Amino acid sequence: DGGITQSPKYLFRKEGQNVTLSCEQNLNHDAMYWYRQDPGQGLRLIYYSQIVNDFQKGDIAEGYSVSREKKESFPLTVTSAQKNPTAFYLCASSISPVTEAFFGQGTRLTVV
Amino acid sequence: DQQVKQNSPSLSVQEGRISILNCDYTNSMFDYFLWYKKYPAEGPTFLISISSIKDKNEDGRFTVFLNKSAKHLSLHIVPSQPGDSAVYFCAASGYIQGAQKLVFGQGTRLTINP
Repeated sequence: DGGITQSPKYLFRKEGQNVTLSCEQNLNHDAMYWYRQDPGQGLRLIYYSQIVNDFQKGDIAEGYSVSREKKESFPLTVTSAQKNPTAFYLCASSISPVTEAFFGQGTRLTVV
Repeated sequence: DQQVKQNSPSLSVQEGRISILNCDYTNSMFDYFLWYKKYPAEGPTFLISISSIKDKNEDGRFTVFLNKSAKHLSLHIVPSQPGDSAVYFCAASGYIQGAQKLVFGQGTRLTINP
């Protein structure tokens, strides 16, 4: 089955800790994205990658880091520098940036 | 700077009637527009899209209209069904600030009443 998988579904983090969210796709898509959703707000772009070994900051990249060492994988690290990390995080991929994106099921991160 | 705006946070429609969701954008560099549907605690799923060279695209009960001069698009759902109750996001894609980006609106929560 082709798709995009995010793990874990729920994640709890203590303040001051870094945490990494996983995103894997087997759709052979070149483009991958990370979005954050907060209550009452749209999907805000954190980072995106159009090809392997290349990625760009989105609108709210501060406090986050990513890597794109493999086409299939685009992990997101939420660092301790992110002031308000509690949110619902969504990963997406697309064949190219001009085609529809497919989303994972999301990871809900809670800082305790 | 919200480049894609959905000004109605919520919309309530009676089952069987038409639902119209609206979206405005500010950047004329956007050339591809999409609508997504999202249920709670799930990722959005793609519904329908339209290229900037068209003004209408239809897929079953869903039709998207694009008015480029007004920088406005809308999604029509007819007839509306209870299963359509969800949050709907519009998105715009274009070459912005040196890269191809996909930008989402804030979403509109659609409730279909029986």
